[in-house]
Amino acid sequence: AQKITQTQPGMFVQEKEAVTLDCTYDTSDPSYGLFWYKQPSSGEMIFLIYQGSYDQQNATEGRYSLNFQKARKSANLVISASQLGDSAMYFCAMRGTLDMRFGAGTRLTVKP
Amino acid sequence: DVKVTQSSRYLVKRTGEKVFLECVQDMDHENMFWYRQDPGLGLRLIYFSYDVKMKEKGDIPEGYSVSREKKERFSLILESASTNQTSMYLCASSLEFLGSSYNEQFFGPGTRLTVL
Repeated sequence: AQKITQTQPGMFVQEKEAVTLDCTYDTSDPSYGLFWYKQPSSGEMIFLIYQGSYDQQNATEGRYSLNFQKARKSANLVISASQLGDSAMYFCAMRGTLDMRFGAGTRLTVKP
Repeated sequence: DVKVTQSSRYLVKRTGEKVFLECVQDMDHENMFWYRQDPGLGLRLIYFSYDVKMKEKGDIPEGYSVSREKKERFSLILESASTNQTSMYLCASSLEFLGSSYNEQFFGPGTRLTVL
């Protein structure tokens, strides 16, 4: 069965600094996709970034980048130049053949 | 603008009641999902469906059932609600997953269910 692990329940970062949120996964599917979502206090799930298992390069979207290490089965999210509005829950997710599963999440707090 | 809607934002039910949570998407997506979200546990997959009348169990299907009679609608049913089913329920939809294709899930706003 697929499994997603986020080992950091909470993280703090100073405004304007970079932060890395960890995510490891386990799957037997040869083809899969990895996602990161942000959930602010308002509750909506906001898609941030995607990495396909066959993609050669790490995905980037603005201030977000995904550090994909396939052999280590890790897909860490890097947020550069943190802003106060980045304070939220962050979920890593993996898409297999049919389903999609999420990790437990990391609560990021950006300090002014 | 793509949209996933859920029938209620807040719902209060009594133990033993039959509860229906409705989800509708207007994007002609093949796949639909039901999750429950609890603090410290993230989103846990209850059931998903990859086609009309098709359903697959997720990680925590006990106490739940689902129905998908039309492509745009996916219903979650609590046959006899219990207090441990008090949670936030999130519905999502996505296009069919082909290999490593990019197709994110789109989420509804969630239903916060309280069972007394």
